[in-house]
Amino acid sequence: EAGVVQSPRYKIIEKKQPVAFWCNPISGHNTLYWYLQNLGQGPELLIRYENEEAVDDSQLPKDRFSAERLKGVDSTLKIQPAELGDSAVYLCASSLRATGSYNEQFFGPGTRLTVL
Amino acid sequence: TQLLKQSPQFLSIQEGENLTVYCNSSSVFSSLQWYRQEPGEGPVLLVTVVTGGEVKKLKRLTFQFGDARKDSSLHITAAQPGDTGLYLCAGGRGWGGSQGNLIFGKGTKLSVKP
Repeated sequence: EAGVVQSPRYKIIEKKQPVAFWCNPISGHNTLYWYLQNLGQGPELLIRYENEEAVDDSQLPKDRFSAERLKGVDSTLKIQPAELGDSAVYLCASSLRATGSYNEQFFGPGTRLTVL
Repeated sequence: TQLLKQSPQFLSIQEGENLTVYCNSSSVFSSLQWYRQEPGEGPVLLVTVVTGGEVKKLKRLTFQFGDARKDSSLHITAAQPGDTGLYLCAGGRGWGGSQGNLIFGKGTKLSVKP
C-alpha cells in the first residue's frame, strides 16, 4: 500500500514569491492534515480536512496561506507571498476516521521550504 | 502554553545503555501516541496507548500511560544506533468516536553512538 505522497521534496524561493505544495493521502483516508515543523520541534497543525471540508483552520495564517481539497482526495497548500519566517518543513498526514480508532496519523516525507 | 512537555530535549548515549524519555501535561488526554522521526522523513507511529496505567511493549521499547492519562514514558532497553531519531509524543482528545486534533510535544532528540 502506498504511503502519503508529497511533492516537491525541496523548494527554494525568494521572499515575496508564491509557492505551492501537493499531497496525496493514503487511499481511503478521509482526514487530511497539513502541519508546519520547524527544525528540532514538533509538528504544528495548520489545517485539518474531513473529506473536502476544512473542519479546523484556526491556526492557518489566512492572510498569506490557503489550502484546498476539492474532491476530498489530494490537497494543495499555498503560500503567497512567502516570507523569510516561512522556512520550515511542511508535512502532510492522513488518517481514517472510524469507530474505535484513535486518530493514528500517517505522515508523508514533507516538503522542506527555504525562503531566501 | 506548551500543553505537552517532553524531557529531556536532547539525549546522547552509548550503544547498549538504557534510557527513558518523558511526556508530561496538566491536561487529560483520551489517547497518547508516540512517533519516531528520522532526518528528512515524516514521523512514524510507534504506539497508541489509551487506558490509564496501560503498558505496551514493542521489542526493546516499553511505553506507559499514566494512571491519570496526563503523562507517558518511553523506555528503551539496550539502545542501538538505529534508535537514533526525534521521539515525539502526541495527545488526542477525541472521545466517543469523535476525533479531535493531535497535540504534539516538541520532541526528544536521541543520539545513540556505536
